[in-house]
Amino acid sequence: DAGVIQSPRHEVTEMGQEVTLRCKPISGHNSLFWYRQTMMRGLELLIYFNNNVPIDDSGMPEDRFSAKMPNASFSTLKIQPSEPRDSAVYFCASSLFTTDTQYFGPGTRLTVL
Amino acid sequence: SQQGEEDPQALSIQEGENATMNCSYKTSINNLQWYRQNSGRGLVHLILIRSNEREKHSGRLRVTLDTSKKSSSLLITASRAADTASYFCATGFQGAQKLVFGQGTRLTINP
Repeated sequence: DAGVIQSPRHEVTEMGQEVTLRCKPISGHNSLFWYRQTMMRGLELLIYFNNNVPIDDSGMPEDRFSAKMPNASFSTLKIQPSEPRDSAVYFCASSLFTTDTQYFGPGTRLTVL
Repeated sequence: SQQGEEDPQALSIQEGENATMNCSYKTSINNLQWYRQNSGRGLVHLILIRSNEREKHSGRLRVTLDTSKKSSSLLITASRAADTASYFCATGFQGAQKLVFGQGTRLTINP
């Protein structure tokens, strides 16, 4: 298996632009997680899905952030409009069920200028 | 907060020495997991220990769990330069449907 796939690996954009991060979970996994990691705040859970349904989005910082999982093999995290404080590494992870071992993707390093 | 807390925040030792990291939590758990993160990479799962287990081994890694003290430790024996990384504990709390990650311990192995 190729593992969790994220794209793009790096994204540099200007403040106010829309950013879309993509994730393909491991086939057969039922749970998908989006995390954000910064030096200041550490690793933060933004939202997670179980069987394509959002279960907990309490970590989404603002309405500017939205996430979707239209099917079992694809999820997106969108930031619109982006701000410099959104600069971080965004990780996607998947697991068989919500409290099982999580497999992380390589991350997307987002820089908002 | 349900978050597990790692201790110490940073640890620097000589190659060949043993490294011990600790994780404490506040509420009952179903399982506790340890992950490693190399700089610039995603987290990698190391070991999962269930609430009814007291110790698990994987190669040079040993994890213990003391549910009465609500704490776990990760021991890396005969450390190598390649063990330099951040180590996170993640707890699966009873009644919760997600893992909660701690802030991590930054381990540096000096050659």
